[in-house]
Amino acid sequence: EAQVTQNPRYLITVTGKKLTVTCSQNMNHEYMSWYRQDPGLGLRQIYYSMNVEVTDKGDVPEGYKVSRKEKRNFPLILESPSPNQTSLYFCASRPGQGNSPLHFGNGTRLTVT
Amino acid sequence: SQKIEQNSEALNIQEGKTATLTCNYTNYSPAYLQWYRQDPGRGPVFLLLIRENEKEKRKERLKVTFDTTLKQSLFHITASQPADSATYLCALDPNYGQNFVFGPGTRLSVLP
Repeated sequence: EAQVTQNPRYLITVTGKKLTVTCSQNMNHEYMSWYRQDPGLGLRQIYYSMNVEVTDKGDVPEGYKVSRKEKRNFPLILESPSPNQTSLYFCASRPGQGNSPLHFGNGTRLTVT
Repeated sequence: SQKIEQNSEALNIQEGKTATLTCNYTNYSPAYLQWYRQDPGRGPVFLLLIRENEKEKRKERLKVTFDTTLKQSLFHITASQPADSATYLCALDPNYGQNFVFGPGTRLSVLP
């Protein structure tokens, strides 16, 4: 089944403790992206990647890192999480063509205390 | 500044009626616009795409229009059902494939 898989689904952590949220897609998509979703603010893009070893900042990249060493994986790294990074995170992918729709994972709900 | 707005945060309609959701954008010139459905606790799911040279697109009970002069897209669900209750998001691509910008969404409730 074609899908985008994120892990974990839920994560509670403390301020400053480094964490990684994994994202993997099995559709051979070139493009992958991370979003955060907050009430009243909608989906905001954190980082995206047009292909392996190519990443770029979205609208809200501060406090996050990403890497794209393989086509299928696009982990999101929080080196020193803070409470304002408490949010619902989504990974998405699509083929390289610009008008192709995004395929989303089921989300990771992160709480930073 | 650039902005995408959706007409209301929440919309309640009676089963069987047509739901109309609005997406307005400012200071973008998108080549196309997409609509997604999001259920609670789940990721958005793609519904329809409409290009700038298309006035209207249909898929089963769904219809989308795109007016680049008004900078507006309308999303219609005809003969609405309780199962259509969800949040609907519009999205556009301002940089030709590099990123998508989403509206805040409209939460639709179809009452039996």
